[in-house]
Order: sequence, then C-alpha cells, then structure tokens
Amino acid sequence: GQNIDQPTEMTATEGAIVQINCTYQTSGFNGLFWYQQHAGEAPTFLSYNVLDGLEEKGRFSSFLSRSKGYSYLLLKELQMKDSASYLCAVSPSGGYQKVTFGTGTKLQVIP
Amino acid sequence: DADVTQTPRNRITKTGKRIMLECSQTKGHDRMYWYRQDPGLGLRLIYYSFDVKDINKGEISDGYSVSRQAQAKFSLSLESAIPNQTALYFCATSDPDSGSRGELFFGEGSRLTVL
Repeated sequence: GQNIDQPTEMTATEGAIVQINCTYQTSGFNGLFWYQQHAGEAPTFLSYNVLDGLEEKGRFSSFLSRSKGYSYLLLKELQMKDSASYLCAVSPSGGYQKVTFGTGTKLQVIP
Repeated sequence: DADVTQTPRNRITKTGKRIMLECSQTKGHDRMYWYRQDPGLGLRLIYYSFDVKDINKGEISDGYSVSRQAQAKFSLSLESAIPNQTALYFCATSDPDSGSRGELFFGEGSRLTVL
C-alpha cells in the first residue's frame, strides 16, 4: 500500500520562499508528482521526479530522496496567485500507473 | 475548449436516484480515470481504464460503476446515490508513452450533492 504525508496548511508572505514537504511509504515506487490546485478548480501538473536530486522549473523546484522517502516543493518569490493547494502524489512501480495522492497542503500567501 | 470535459458540472439529487457523470476527451489518450475528492481525504481513485476493453477498480469502487464507450468517453454511474457520495468528482487522462511522464490531465470537475 501507499502512505503519503504532507502538512495540512501553511502560510507564507508574498515575495518569500516556502518549502512544502512530503514523505511517503510505499510498497513500490516509480516517481513522485506535484500538482497545484486552486480552490474549486482541477489539479494541474507541476513536476515529476524519478531520480534523486533537485529539478528546477522557473520559480518552482522539486526535490526527491528515494532512500529517505522524502520530497519537497520549493516556491520562490511567492505571489498572491500561488495561494492554492499543493498535492503530492506517488506513482507505483510496475507497468501500470495508479497514482496515489496525499491529502494536499493548502498554502495561503499573505501580503 | 477544454481537452477533458465533464458533464454535468454541478448536480443535486436525492438518495436512491441513479446518476451518471460523463467525461469526454480530445487528447487521444488511452488511459482514463475517475477520482473523487473530499475535504481532508484528498483525491481517491474510483475506477480506471487503460483502453476500451480494460476496466479496473480503484481503491473506492463500491457503489460505483463505469462504462468506456469509446477511447474518448468514460462514464461514471451511481446506481443508487447515497449522501456520503456527495463529493467533487474528477475525470482524468494520461499517456505515459507520449513523453509527458504519465502526468494526469484533469477535467474541470463535477460537484455532486446527494440529499
């Protein structure tokens, strides 16, 4: 089975940096996704990590440590529009893709 | 137009009624999914289909059924709706072979309320 843990809520200031952590315990692991979901909207893809290390994409970066079952999403130069829920999701090993989602971290960006 | 379209977007119904949520996609993806989202529980997989002849149960399939009418269409049915099926339902597609790393593409969601 899969167990994914991430903080329920976070608050950060506009212009600052925030790190959202995700830990997972899985019976098999292929990779880890991060999605962004604004209130009342569909989740949208942010990143996918398969190998250990940091992947940077503009203001957003995602880190993975497979040995520690740990990932984080780093958001720099926070903007008000970054207020959203951030979903960590694990893709299991094997030929099929049954992604399991964490409960999400609701980020509030304040002026 | 959205690549993944869900209808209806909002529905209020009564206990015991039959409900169908429809999903159609123009992305040409073989894999389609139905998730439900509840506050504090995140997204949970109800059913998934990897092609027209392949239907699989997810982690919470009890009380639901699906139909894959074509590559582009995947419907979710609640044969006899109950209040704890009140939730936000998402259809999604993916294509791991297309270079998109299997990311899910979600529809706009269907908010279902069962009274």
